[in-house]
Order: sequence, then C-alpha cells, then structure tokens
Amino acid sequence: GAVVSQHPSRVICKSGTSVKIECRSLDFQATTMFWYRQFPKQSLMLMATSNEGSKATYEQGVEKDKFLINHASLTLSTLTVTSAHPEDSSFYICSARDRGNTIYFGEGSWLTVV
Amino acid sequence: EDQVTQSPEALRLQEGESSSLNCSYTVSGLRGLFWYRQDPGKGPEFLFTLYSAGEEKEKERLKATLTKKESFLHITAPKPEDSATYLCAVQAVSDYKLSFGAGTTVTVRA
Repeated sequence: GAVVSQHPSRVICKSGTSVKIECRSLDFQATTMFWYRQFPKQSLMLMATSNEGSKATYEQGVEKDKFLINHASLTLSTLTVTSAHPEDSSFYICSARDRGNTIYFGEGSWLTVV
Repeated sequence: EDQVTQSPEALRLQEGESSSLNCSYTVSGLRGLFWYRQDPGKGPEFLFTLYSAGEEKEKERLKATLTKKESFLHITAPKPEDSATYLCAVQAVSDYKLSFGAGTTVTVRA
C-alpha cells in the first residue's frame, strides 16, 4: 500500500518551545491531509483537515494559534506545536487521502514536553 | 453528528477460533466506511473501504461486510499475529474526514 511518512517519530522539547512535525505522502499526491491526536488507550481525535494551498479547517476546541498546520505542496503537510506545554505531550498522527479516496496513515510522532 | 459504535471493546480468541467485530454507525449520508488495524504505538494500517450496502471485501483472514446501519469484520481462523486494535470509521458525503469508533482490541492466544 501507499506510504505516508512522519518525521520525527519521537521528539522531546522543553516547555515554551515550538516543535514541527512533518507528514509526507511518498508515492502519491494528497490533496487532503488530516492531523490527529491520540491519548493512551483511546481512539483518534481529529484536530484539523488541511487542503493543499489553503488554510486548514480546525475541529471545535482545537486552538488554531497553538497547532499551526501548513500544507504547502501535494506531498507535504506540517504541524507546528507552538509554545508547547506538558499537557501537549501526546501521540500525533497524520493521514493523507489519495485520488481514489483511500486514506493512509503515517506511523505517528510521539511528543514529550518537559 | 456522525456516530460510530464498535463492539465488543475487547475480544480474546484462541488461535483458530473465528469471530466477528461489529461497527454500528449513524451518518448523514455515507460516502464510505473504513476499517483499519492499529498495533500499539503505531499509526493505523488501512484494511478496507466499503461504499454501499451489500458490499464485501476480503484480505487474507479478514472479511468486511456493510449494511445500511452496520459493518462487520469477520476474522476467520485467527493467528496470534492478528492481535491488534481494529478501528472502524465513517466518511460522510459532506466532506472527506473520518469519524472513528473507539476500536475493538483483539487478542489471539496460541
């Protein structure tokens, strides 16, 4: 199946700093990408939908200024967690939709804020 | 609002013991119903998309079916490597995002 790559897979940052997570579709063009957050033993919580070349659509309760999403090309979307705090520590997962409407997920990125 | 309910929450099977997982949904116009497998600490792995009632898809020991209100994931003669959390998600015609259920965690004992 198609591959969606996330980088970094694990990151530790200090409280108050910003961290960027990249999501790339390696063998297909993704007009739509999605960002999720997953807490231990819970299902995926959609944070935002990003379309190439336009502003992301955020789900209710997700702070736009805290979680900056950029979808600059058909193969790359980035999530920047700004002014990170310990409560932002989580597993962040991206997904990308191909032209056939199959949605593939990345391997996820573990963020720890200390 | 779209709702997805998966049952049971957990399922413990003996190797070779076939079973089914249920995904009940309500959505304002179904575009597609998706099944994924997720291993601990990993992103979900795509299994199937079903688009219309009556549709069935198979992959190795897994078979997914769809009705107007629910979907089933049948696991035939499971092996320990089938142990994972299986996630169901619906996609409405209004957009492309997925709404997920809480998942069914399957454990297959040798």
